[in-house]
Amino acid sequence: DGGITQSPKYLFRKEGQNVTLSCEQNLNHDAMYWYRQDPGQGLRLIYYSQIVNDFQKGDIAEGYSVSREKKESFPLTVTSAQKNPTAFYLCASSPGTGPRGANVLTFGAGSRLTVL
Amino acid sequence: GDSVTQMEGPVTLSEEAFLTINCTYTATGYPSLFWYVQYPGEGLQLLLKATKADDKGSNKGFEATYRKETTSFHLEKGSVQVSDSAVYFCALSLKTSYDKVIFGPGTSLSVIP
Repeated sequence: DGGITQSPKYLFRKEGQNVTLSCEQNLNHDAMYWYRQDPGQGLRLIYYSQIVNDFQKGDIAEGYSVSREKKESFPLTVTSAQKNPTAFYLCASSPGTGPRGANVLTFGAGSRLTVL
Repeated sequence: GDSVTQMEGPVTLSEEAFLTINCTYTATGYPSLFWYVQYPGEGLQLLLKATKADDKGSNKGFEATYRKETTSFHLEKGSVQVSDSAVYFCALSLKTSYDKVIFGPGTSLSVIP
């Protein structure tokens, strides 16, 4: 079955360390996204990519970095510059084609990062 | 700016009760509207959507109607089950250069037997 795989599901980090969260999709979607979820705040967009080798900052990109070297993969690095990285991180994808604004996002199961 | 407002939770209902979760939005232009559901420890999944005014989205007994005049997209279900316990997110999607989606804060629903 097609879907999005995120790993690891749980991750612990010491302050000052960079960590990378993996996101892989086999849906043949062009567009991929990273969201951060905090209790009571909904989802906030970190980065998005509409095509291979191209990505754009979202609303809260500071302290994060991404790459899009393959269509299937969109890893997120949480750097030591991110002041409050403890959160639930969700990767999503969409076809990226068709009428803008009508496409449905498909989400992975998420990765929970805790800074010790 | 563009935003989505949902009723505050948590909401606790008895099994077979009627459910309404209010959602209103502010947006320029004519967005598409969505309800996503998140079960414990999982990512979000689409529950239903509507892409233009007066459209009704429906799935698994849930319904919502796109009301342009009141800028609302309230979620309803006639008889909830314990398995409906989850967090529900109202969202809008704008016709920009990418699929920009703005989410509400989510409403937690607990259904007790």
